[in-house]
Amino acid sequence: DTAVSQTPKYLVTQMGNDKSIKCEQNLGHDTMYWYKQDSKKFLKIMFSYNNKELIINETVPNRFSPKSPDKAHLNLHINSLELGDSAVYFCASSQGTRGAPEAFFGQGTRLTVV
Amino acid sequence: GQNIDQPTEMTATEGAIVQINCTYQTSGFNGLFWYQQHAGEAPTFLSYNVLDGLEEKGRFSSFLSRSKGYSYLLLKELQMKDSASYLCAVRDQASGTYKYIFGTGTRLKVLA
Repeated sequence: DTAVSQTPKYLVTQMGNDKSIKCEQNLGHDTMYWYKQDSKKFLKIMFSYNNKELIINETVPNRFSPKSPDKAHLNLHINSLELGDSAVYFCASSQGTRGAPEAFFGQGTRLTVV
Repeated sequence: GQNIDQPTEMTATEGAIVQINCTYQTSGFNGLFWYQQHAGEAPTFLSYNVLDGLEEKGRFSSFLSRSKGYSYLLLKELQMKDSASYLCAVRDQASGTYKYIFGTGTRLKVLA
């Protein structure tokens, strides 16, 4: 039973296209995140949502728009894709102030823009 | 600002002990985490320290000194399967909510 699941696992698309990545967690966590891991393996936070509300936006271009329909889901839509957007995008969730302190990660979406 | 430093790469021999160091600077420290990430996979949680001292979990131990902004991950009896990247992360509460800030990771190669 997967705790944090994201789809698709692989995404290859052309420059200028619009694409979405979906994420769902069944852990009952209040907080969800999107991270970007570049070719140098640096994991950088992009967004954080707490109970469907945007809390953190780490100066990400506005071509990236997260949406949280409910606290178990956090999707990421990317407009006008650029070559530099190629990376692995990880969704994560955490309990916040209650329960286990660690963040749990999805399996990642490898986005390749050609 | 926020900054986390760890060595880029380390090599060790099967059966040996290796220590991966991490130094950090953050304004709203709320815990230090170590994650393991195998190539092409998600980071998986290894250990958590919020108070000074050593936490032991089987072959893995993690140490924290908050006054020095320093942590290390100690891996004993190294096995080939321990070849992976090890990510040091700080949970920061400065912005009113938690966020996990990661270092660049240390790629560990275990040789036979």
